Amino acid sequence: GAVVSQHPSRVICKSGTSVKIECRSLDFQATTMFWYRQFPKKSLMLMATSNEGSKATYEQGVEKDKFLINHASLTLSTLTVTSAHPEDSSFYICSAKNPGLAGWGQFFGPGTRLTVL
Amino acid sequence: GENVEQHPSTLSVQEGDSAVIKCTYSDSASNYFPWYKQELGKRPQLIIDIRSNVGEKKDQRIAVTLNKTAKHFSLHITETQPEDSAVYFCAASLTGNQFYFGTGTSLTVIP
Repeated sequence: GAVVSQHPSRVICKSGTSVKIECRSLDFQATTMFWYRQFPKKSLMLMATSNEGSKATYEQGVEKDKFLINHASLTLSTLTVTSAHPEDSSFYICSAKNPGLAGWGQFFGPGTRLTVL
Repeated sequence: GENVEQHPSTLSVQEGDSAVIKCTYSDSASNYFPWYKQELGKRPQLIIDIRSNVGEKKDQRIAVTLNKTAKHFSLHITETQPEDSAVYFCAASLTGNQFYFGTGTSLTVIP
């Protein structure tokens, strides 16, 4: 299988606080995970590639000091939104490839809806 | 970087009719093109994909065609059913790593 989970599913926080989102591959090991951001009725925008044991690779225009990514194990990547502001409110989704499967498809987590007040 | 465009943004069809969604990409190095279906509030689900070494792939009522020269690919859904109603996203990728998604198509199948 290829199951990806995320926690929490929903979070509401005050402006200025930091929020950590976890992405886990439940039945496979993922050396690489990806973080996306999705605005309402919009597409998924790739934010960064999370690499196990090394630094994340950020897409152009994404602030690495704002969106901290840590991939400390083969089954867990975390995204921390630091000093969150209302404009950071969004749906954050992670994905992972299962190297044990023949295809190249990515499997997505259920997403985390962040609301910053 | 890669830029993926998708049309139409909304599509309504009668049940039983066919639906076609088209995407273009900019980076000729891209070699993997998946299609995802996303229902409201849920995660995207892979429905079909194609690699650049083939021109067409079919899975029951769903097919994808790829024209590498023109850098465009299309999703075809035949005999549409109400449960096909969702948002569909195309994406382009190099070997299945970073996915660059199109803007999405909201498909409504009218019973």
